[in-house]
Amino acid sequence: GAVVSQHPSRVICKSGTSVKIECRSLDFQATTMFWYRQFPKQSLMLMATSNEGSKATYEQGVEKDKFLINHASLTLSTLTVASAHPEDSSFYICSASAWTPYEQYFGPGTRLTVT
Amino acid sequence: AQSVSQHNHHVILSEAASLELGCNYSYGGTVNLFWYVQYPGQHLQLLLKYFSGDPLVKGIKGFEAEFIKSKFSFNLRKPSVQWSDTAEYFCAVNAGSNYQLIWGAGTKLIIKP
Repeated sequence: GAVVSQHPSRVICKSGTSVKIECRSLDFQATTMFWYRQFPKQSLMLMATSNEGSKATYEQGVEKDKFLINHASLTLSTLTVASAHPEDSSFYICSASAWTPYEQYFGPGTRLTVT
Repeated sequence: AQSVSQHNHHVILSEAASLELGCNYSYGGTVNLFWYVQYPGQHLQLLLKYFSGDPLVKGIKGFEAEFIKSKFSFNLRKPSVQWSDTAEYFCAVNAGSNYQLIWGAGTKLIIKP
C-alpha cells in the first residue's frame, strides 16, 4: 500500500517551454502533497506543500509564478514549470501523506533537463 | 533555524560488518524522527520512524535507530550489513507543529561483497 507515482519519469524540453509533472497517490487519498527538488549530492529541498482544494504554500525563495502547483483532487497534484530555463534542470520529487501529515510516501521522481 | 546533520557523506563497508550512521538535529522541542532509504534507481522509502515511546525503534530489513534526546541524535544501526543494503540513507526530522520534514544531506552506503 501507499504507492505514489510520478509522470513523466524523465523529460527534456527546450528553454522557454512549460513542463507539467503529475503526482498521483494510487491506493490512498492524500490529504497533503509535497513537492521537492533534489540537487546533485544535496538533500531534498522542499518547494511547496499543497492540500486538496486550496492554494499551495510555497517555501521562501520558490517562485510561485514559475512553479505552479495544482492539487485538484485527493489523488492528484501537478507541478508545472512555466517557461523553463536550464537552471530549472533538476530532479523533482513529490510525496503524499494521508493518515498523518508527518509520514510521507514518495514518488520515484522526475528528471527535468532544459536545453 | 532547524537543521539536520548527517556526519558521513560516504560509508564503505564489507558484508557482515556492523553499521552506524549518525544523525543529529537542532531543535529543543518535541520531534518526530525518520530514516528514509533510496536504493539505486528506486524512490525514497520509509525505513523507520519515531514519534514517541520506546526510544529504540526497529524498522524494516533489520535496521534500528535509537533516539537519544540529550544528544539530539537518532543514529541508524544494523548489526550485520548485506550487499543489498547499498543505498543512500536520509535522516529527516519533523519539529513542532509544522508538517515539514527537515532533511539531512544523506549518506551513501556502499557494501562490498
